[in-house]
Amino acid sequence: ILNVEQSPQSLHVQEGDSTNFTCSFPSSNFYALHWYRWETAKSPEALFVMTLNGDEKKKGRISATLNTKEGYSYLYIKGSQPEDSATYLCAFGDYKLSFGAGTTVTVSA
Amino acid sequence: GAGVSQTPSNKVTEKGKYVELRCDPISGHTALYWYRQSLGQGPEFLIYFQGTGAADDSGLPNDRFFAVRPEGSVSTLKIQRTERGDSAVYLCASSLELGAEAFFGQGTRLTVV
Repeated sequence: ILNVEQSPQSLHVQEGDSTNFTCSFPSSNFYALHWYRWETAKSPEALFVMTLNGDEKKKGRISATLNTKEGYSYLYIKGSQPEDSATYLCAFGDYKLSFGAGTTVTVSA
Repeated sequence: GAGVSQTPSNKVTEKGKYVELRCDPISGHTALYWYRQSLGQGPEFLIYFQGTGAADDSGLPNDRFFAVRPEGSVSTLKIQRTERGDSAVYLCASSLELGAEAFFGQGTRLTVV
């Protein structure tokens, strides 16, 4: 079992504000880093799969960066909207993913 | 189907009973995974199938847990003599091939009373 840590555990954001949170993972034997968004009563939705050090990915207002040498990834949400409210999970590994406990984001209108 | 389908969505069972959880993966996906998420934790890997065979079952917590995928499509996770500690959300995912992007179902919430 690989140790994947996410912080903070939860955060509250006002609509329109930007925010970011962290995923840390073992820096050795890196394969891939995945970000998922999991809304209540829905399936976890894949946001990004990141494989290269220095990778930056973007999907709409959400973006992510990756530093494999120091073992961390940031997820950024720009101009948060209520529909961004969800738990964001990061996962590390190849086919056998080790997940963090998630960061639960609540966006207030 | 369009996505990964899991049934039932909720299951309440009494301690000591046997339960089966079903997963219908995306058509054509050869890899299928089961994960379990307990309260306050991230999902934990249970077992992975490539085709019909269990390629890695190292995450199954004990021999009360067993999973099958007889025709390389639908999978069933079976739990014998359920215990209250088995209460969790059981997630199934599938991918086109090993290590490719995994698509998850909505999960089955199992409650053992």
